[in-house]
Amino acid sequence: GQNIDQPTEMTATEGAIVQINCTYQTSGFNGLFWYQQHAGEAPTFLSYNVLDGLEEKGRFSSFLSRSKGYSYLLLKELQMKDSASYLCAVRDDDGGATNKLIFGTGTLLAVQP
Amino acid sequence: ETGVTQSPTHLIKTRGQQVTLRCSSQSGHNTVSWYQQALGQGPQFIFQYYREEENGRGNFPPRFSGLQFPNYSSELNVNALELDDSALYLCASSPNRDSWQFFGPGTRLTVL
Repeated sequence: GQNIDQPTEMTATEGAIVQINCTYQTSGFNGLFWYQQHAGEAPTFLSYNVLDGLEEKGRFSSFLSRSKGYSYLLLKELQMKDSASYLCAVRDDDGGATNKLIFGTGTLLAVQP
Repeated sequence: ETGVTQSPTHLIKTRGQQVTLRCSSQSGHNTVSWYQQALGQGPQFIFQYYREEENGRGNFPPRFSGLQFPNYSSELNVNALELDDSALYLCASSPNRDSWQFFGPGTRLTVL
């Protein structure tokens, strides 16, 4: 079956670091994405991992371990505007025909002063 | 801004009605995917269109149907609306069917 798990909610303090974990079990794997979504808006792309290891992009980093079915998103120097839902999504190529994204339910991050 | 546009922004319908949502893909993109996002949930894949043909479908009933036009814009049609169809409908375009997807702003559908 297809399953992506991530915590429902997290709280962190402005200026701190937070790590959002994601575990997945999917029939196919062709990369893992992290998206940020503010309430009522569309998801915006944050990061992409297809090989094991860490990808760094400014204040955001993402890690992938394919053997463990595990990823995390690391946010540094938190700002109030980082309060949003963070979506983990696996690209399932479904045997090569379809490039669909399977999303977790999202982690709602609240950044407090 | 991703260059993907959707219309309308908001829509209110009643049970049993039919609705058509529209998506204009980013220039040069030939693939459009549609997702349904219920409140508090992650987006769920409805279907994908590649060069005017359906290229994969998620676990949605046949009353969810779509089209892609020669200019690669797309429509999502939902017949016999149910209350549970209330959601944010997201369109994502990509340069090709195996490329990254870029999301539009979404259409908020409310079914009363």
